[in-house]
Amino acid sequence: DIQMTQSPSSLSASIGDRVTITCRASQSISSYLNWYHQKPGKAPKLLIYAASRLQSGVPSRFSGSGSGTEFTLTISSLQVDDFATYFCQQSFTSPPTFGQGTKVEI
Amino acid sequence: QVQLQESGPGLVKPSETLSLTCTVSGGSVNSQYWTWIRQVPGKGLEWIGNIYYSGSTYYNPSLKSRVTISIDTSNNQFSLKLSSVTAADTAVYHCARRGYSGYYFFDYWGQGALVTVSS
Repeated sequence: DIQMTQSPSSLSASIGDRVTITCRASQSISSYLNWYHQKPGKAPKLLIYAASRLQSGVPSRFSGSGSGTEFTLTISSLQVDDFATYFCQQSFTSPPTFGQGTKVEI
Repeated sequence: QVQLQESGPGLVKPSETLSLTCTVSGGSVNSQYWTWIRQVPGKGLEWIGNIYYSGSTYYNPSLKSRVTISIDTSNNQFSLKLSSVTAADTAVYHCARRGYSGYYFFDYWGQGALVTVSS
C-alpha cells in the first residue's frame, strides 16, 4: 500500500494567517491526490482533487499544489470555519490510502 | 444535494458480525461507486471497499476475508457486513460516494456511525 505522511500533525494559527500543510507519498502518485477537512462529529468534506483542482463550492482561499511524492495544501487567510482536521488521500492505486491528519487549532 | 446517513447497532460483541446500512437521498445509487471508510478513534482513515450499482465489489485486501458490501437499488441503500470482529474494529464507520472527474475522489460522506466492539 502507498503510505501517506502529513506534516505537521497539528498547528496553532490565528485568523488571517497563511497556513501550509504538507503531504508526502511513499512512491510517486502523479497528481492523484485529494484533500479533505473534517470537524468533530461531522462528515469529511472534499476540498481539492487532482492535487490542485478546487471542488465546486469550496472557497478560493484553499489551494493545492505538487505532483509526484510531495504535495501542499495552502489556506491563504485562515477563517473561523477552517479550524478542523485536514487529510490527504491518494487515488493513484488501490487501496486508496489517507494521511494521518493535521489538526489546525486556534 | 446528495446526502448519506449510516444506521445500525452501535455495540457489537467480539466474534460477531458488524452490520451497517447507508441510506442515500438526493441522488440515486444507480450510478457511481459507493464506499465504506472507517476511522479508528485518534487514528487515520481506512478504506474498506466499494460497490457499483451492478453489484461489482472491491475490497481492501487487509479486510477482504471478513467484508461483504451489498447494494439495494430499490431502497437506495447499500450495506456493510464485517465478520469476526475484535476490539480493533472499534471505529467510526462512514459511507461515501466515490466521484469521478478524470480523477477519483470521495465527494459526499455520511457523518459516520460509531461502532464499539465489546462484550
